[in-house]
Amino acid sequence: EDQVTQSPEALRLQEGESSSLNCSYTVSGLRGLFWYRQDPGKGPEFLFTLYSAGEEKEKERLKATLTKKESFLHITAPKPEDSATYLCAVQAQNSGYALNFGKGTSLLVTP
Amino acid sequence: GAGVSQTPSNKVTEKGKYVELRCDPISGHTALYWYRQSLGQGPEFLIYFQGTGAADDSGLPNDRFFAVRPEGSVSTLKIQRTERGDSAVYLCASSFQGGAETQYFGPGTRLLVL
Repeated sequence: EDQVTQSPEALRLQEGESSSLNCSYTVSGLRGLFWYRQDPGKGPEFLFTLYSAGEEKEKERLKATLTKKESFLHITAPKPEDSATYLCAVQAQNSGYALNFGKGTSLLVTP
Repeated sequence: GAGVSQTPSNKVTEKGKYVELRCDPISGHTALYWYRQSLGQGPEFLIYFQGTGAADDSGLPNDRFFAVRPEGSVSTLKIQRTERGDSAVYLCASSFQGGAETQYFGPGTRLLVL
C-alpha cells in the first residue's frame, strides 16, 4: 500500500534559520512527487513537481530534492511569510491519477 | 487567469439533509478532481473526471456520495443523508489533461453537519 509520511509534524524557526522538511514515501512506481503550500482557510498552492531521483527544483527560498525513498524541502533564510503548512503528495503509476497526501508539516517562522 | 472556484465557501446543514457543492475548474482543463480534507490531515482523494466521465471514483466513501460533470466543465459533488462525520473541507482541483500534470486547487467548501 502506498504511504506518505512527513516529518516533523510541526517546526518553529527563527527568521533566517534554515532547515529542511522531510517526505518519506513508499509507492510501487512513482509517477510524480508534488509539494504544496497551504495557508489557513485556503486551498493547497502548488510549489514543485519532481519526477525522478536526483531531480532538484528551486523557487526563491525553497529547494526541493528527490531520492528513491524521500524528498526534502529545504528552506533557506526563511521569512515570517513562509509560515504555512507544507504538504507532500505522491502519484503512483498503479493508482490512477489521484494524489496521495501526507499529513503535512506546519511551519512557523518568527521574526 | 481565473483559478479554480468553489461555491459555497461555507455550508452548514443538519444531519440527514442533502447538499450540493459546486466546482468551476480552470478554463480549458479537462481533468477535474475532488478531495476531502479533515482537520490536521492531508487531502484525501474522492473522484477524478476526465471530460464528462468519472474515470476513477475509488475514493468515494459510500453510495451517499455522488458527483457529476455533465458538460465537461463545472462539477457538482452531491451528498445525500449527510452525517456528522461528513464535516470537512471539500477541495476541488483541475489539471490540463490529467496524468502527472500539476493539479491546481480551489479554496474549498467548508461543510459542517450539525
